Amino acid sequence: DVKVTQSSRYLVKRTGEKVFLECVQDMDHENMFWYRQDPGLGLRLIYFSYDVKMKEKGDIPEGYSVSREKKERFSLILESASTNQTSMYLCASSHPGRGLYEQYFGPGTRLTVT
Amino acid sequence: SQQGEEDPQALSIQEGENATMNCSYKTSINNLQWYRQNSGRGLVHLILIRSNEREKHSGRLRVTLDTSKKSSSLLITASRAADTASYFCAGFMGGSEKLVFGKGTKLTVNP
Repeated sequence: DVKVTQSSRYLVKRTGEKVFLECVQDMDHENMFWYRQDPGLGLRLIYFSYDVKMKEKGDIPEGYSVSREKKERFSLILESASTNQTSMYLCASSHPGRGLYEQYFGPGTRLTVT
Repeated sequence: SQQGEEDPQALSIQEGENATMNCSYKTSINNLQWYRQNSGRGLVHLILIRSNEREKHSGRLRVTLDTSKKSSSLLITASRAADTASYFCAGFMGGSEKLVFGKGTKLTVNP
């Protein structure tokens, strides 16, 4: 059974803290993605990675960074958390294929920044 | 914004009825996928329609793609209470490997 796992389902952090969200996939996928989901705004891409150590900015990269040191792991980093980063964060992975391959999603991490 | 627009934003129907959701983009779309999300969970892939296809069926799902109108529709026939979820379209625009998701339609199927 294919699987994408995220390190936490729920996370509460304080403003200014450095936050790490971890995502691991066991499908040997080249592509990995980080999205945030907010009510009424749908899914917005933060960053994606198409290979180890390779990354590309998505639509809303400000305030975030990413790390991909191993093929199976993709980390999202909030350098200094702010209240407007309170959101649901979803990780996904896929094979490359110009939209011909489905993305597999993790269960999500609901982050609250107070 | 390249983000897809879905219509309606919310839909409430009775069990057994059909549900139709539409998705449109401002820019050209190629391959398009539909996903389902149960409340508070990750998304699950439902169906892919390629840019050279106009219609595709999978079980109770029927998807259409009109590349000239930059739009797609998802029809769920004979709906069930278990179909209650949010549904998202996701289009490939070309270039990098990104999919551009719509804002979603929240479907409620009443028993």
